[in-house]
Amino acid sequence: NAGVTQTPKFQVLKTGQSMTLQCAQDMNHEYMSWYRQDPGMGLRLIHYSVGAGITDQGEVPNGYNVSRSTTEDFPLRLLSAAPSQTSVYFCASNRAGRSEQFFGPGTRLTVL
Amino acid sequence: DAKTTQPTSMDCAEGRAANLPCNHSTISGNEYVYWYRQIHSQGPQYIIHGLKNNETNEMASLIITEDRKSSTLILPHATLRDTAVYYCIVRVEGGGSEKLVFGKGTKLTVNP
Repeated sequence: NAGVTQTPKFQVLKTGQSMTLQCAQDMNHEYMSWYRQDPGMGLRLIHYSVGAGITDQGEVPNGYNVSRSTTEDFPLRLLSAAPSQTSVYFCASNRAGRSEQFFGPGTRLTVL
Repeated sequence: DAKTTQPTSMDCAEGRAANLPCNHSTISGNEYVYWYRQIHSQGPQYIIHGLKNNETNEMASLIITEDRKSSTLILPHATLRDTAVYYCIVRVEGGGSEKLVFGKGTKLTVNP
């Protein structure tokens, strides 16, 4: 199993550009989540999904959109990038009813 | 979810046991204690979790006090690769959304 994969590993955007961060898992987990981590901080939840077609907002959802059309994929879209969105983004997945989450390697995003 | 308190940083000598404390005095009866760690620049990694009994796996041991208001994660023979930020999280398992709330954790430095 590849586990949780994220692409790209690094990305530089200009203010106002849009892009999609990709996340995929091959463990057939029902739940998937997106977090961001700013320097010296813990992780903060952006959006999460409890199954295909079902998403909900986390702690810091503004400026981000998600959709879950399949169990495997959970892309995160930045609609109009801002410097405040410079961060490391982690995707995670877990089985329903279990809090043991598996994390991807992260995407480092810089918005100029 | 109950709030947790951890020391900001700790040091440990290589080969010795590392004991990382966590206070969760407002924990409720159905909340589990989870431990994750994050090695520099990587995604968080699940270590162990428990409800009220002590738990042990190949990575660590978890000791939960009888009143469940605090716990200790024990790495029995710390190595340099155990240098990481360790997060203590309490939450209900299977309670719907499985989003985890990460605080700032304890930065453990294992010294040669």
